[in-house]
Amino acid sequence: DADVTQTPRNRITKTGKRIMLECSQTKGHDRMYWYRQDPGLGLRLIYYSFDVKDINKGEISDGYSVSRQAQAKFSLSLESAIPNQTALYFCATSEIPGGDQETQYFGPGTRLLVL
Amino acid sequence: KNEVEQSPQNLTAQEGEFITINCSYSVGISALHWLQQHPGGGIVSLFMLSSGKKKHGRLIATINIQEKHSSLHITASHPRDSAVYICAASTSGTYKYIFGTGTRLKVLA
Repeated sequence: DADVTQTPRNRITKTGKRIMLECSQTKGHDRMYWYRQDPGLGLRLIYYSFDVKDINKGEISDGYSVSRQAQAKFSLSLESAIPNQTALYFCATSEIPGGDQETQYFGPGTRLLVL
Repeated sequence: KNEVEQSPQNLTAQEGEFITINCSYSVGISALHWLQQHPGGGIVSLFMLSSGKKKHGRLIATINIQEKHSSLHITASHPRDSAVYICAASTSGTYKYIFGTGTRLKVLA
């Protein structure tokens, strides 16, 4: 079984709809991240969480919200989806900074299309 | 100017060729990461470097801290190496990643 899973893997929705993307991990990591990837652009950080009580905005948090329900679960919500949120979304986890432990492990991605 | 820049953006090679992908960064880093994104979209970590050189199979990654530059080399390239290779800097203090835009590699048989 994969260590970092994302659901759904693909989603088509309409403008104005609320949707939630979910991420679960079995690695026991404290740190979790949500990124989006657009063609021609690098991955960009939306939100990150260093533990269950810690939520931080990334560089492109407008239009998104997150919930860290447990150490293993980190959800991303689009309150009112718009077409320019069409992208590939990745969840990632890491342990603690320093040495090999700061390597991030990525989920398989969720492909979102907003019509 | 992006804080992490990669070159080339696209690269086509014949099977067996030696391949080099370059990454330059302008931020203070705790480490430099090389990632591979498969055609299906999944991303895996290849290397994490804070100094010197690392080797795994046919892949070699180097970093020059003074010049703020890293390279990923693939020896004896193979069609299965076709992927997008992404450089990412984990920044000093925060350890958050800043990503390059990726290099799309296609290796022809």
